[in-house]
Amino acid sequence: SQQGEEDPQALSIQEGENATMNCSYKTSINNLQWYRQNSGRGLVHLILIRSNEREKHSGRLRVTLDTSKKSSSLLITASRAADTASYFCALRLNSGNTPLVFGKGTRLSVIA
Amino acid sequence: DAGVTQSPTHLIKTRGQQVTLRCSPKSGHDTVSWYQQALGQGPQFIFQYYEEEERQRGNFPDRFSGHQFPNYSSELNVNALLLGDSALYLCASSSPRAGGLETQYFGPGTRLLVL
Repeated sequence: SQQGEEDPQALSIQEGENATMNCSYKTSINNLQWYRQNSGRGLVHLILIRSNEREKHSGRLRVTLDTSKKSSSLLITASRAADTASYFCALRLNSGNTPLVFGKGTRLSVIA
Repeated sequence: DAGVTQSPTHLIKTRGQQVTLRCSPKSGHDTVSWYQQALGQGPQFIFQYYEEEERQRGNFPDRFSGHQFPNYSSELNVNALLLGDSALYLCASSSPRAGGLETQYFGPGTRLLVL
């Protein structure tokens, strides 16, 4: 399968704690993207990391990519109740306009 | 600046019927992709339209077809509906000129229930 696989499937933490979710994949990629989805609605793009990058930051988000291990992690620091959502990694296998390949996601619950 | 819009928001159909879903891309975007998301799953790519032609297609049967209009809006048509077609249908837009094709902007989706 070319899709990414997120781990864990579900995660429950207290507000203020950090949340870490992982994505593993089996094929080579051009880039990897993380998306958030609230309550079965549309997806919101969070961050994109290219295959030649190792780490990127955006606000409270930190993404790492290890192409040798074919894995990525998304860290959300100082989580808030509003971070409660499903998080998906999406693989772009080739450059250009190739479609995104999504995993099944991690359901994050942040308890106030 | 309007984002990606989709209509209708919800739809109930019976097996064997046909359905048409609509999508208007984000302003300045000319490429529209459609995804199907079953409950508890990630989105799966159906097809992509650019310059009014289907450019790429995922592993979906011919019952799924689409169209793109000169104003870049798009329709997804599903014929002979099956119970398994019940899902959230997401439209995403992008553009090689408006910041590249790498980031896709998603609409809120149309939730289709087939009874």
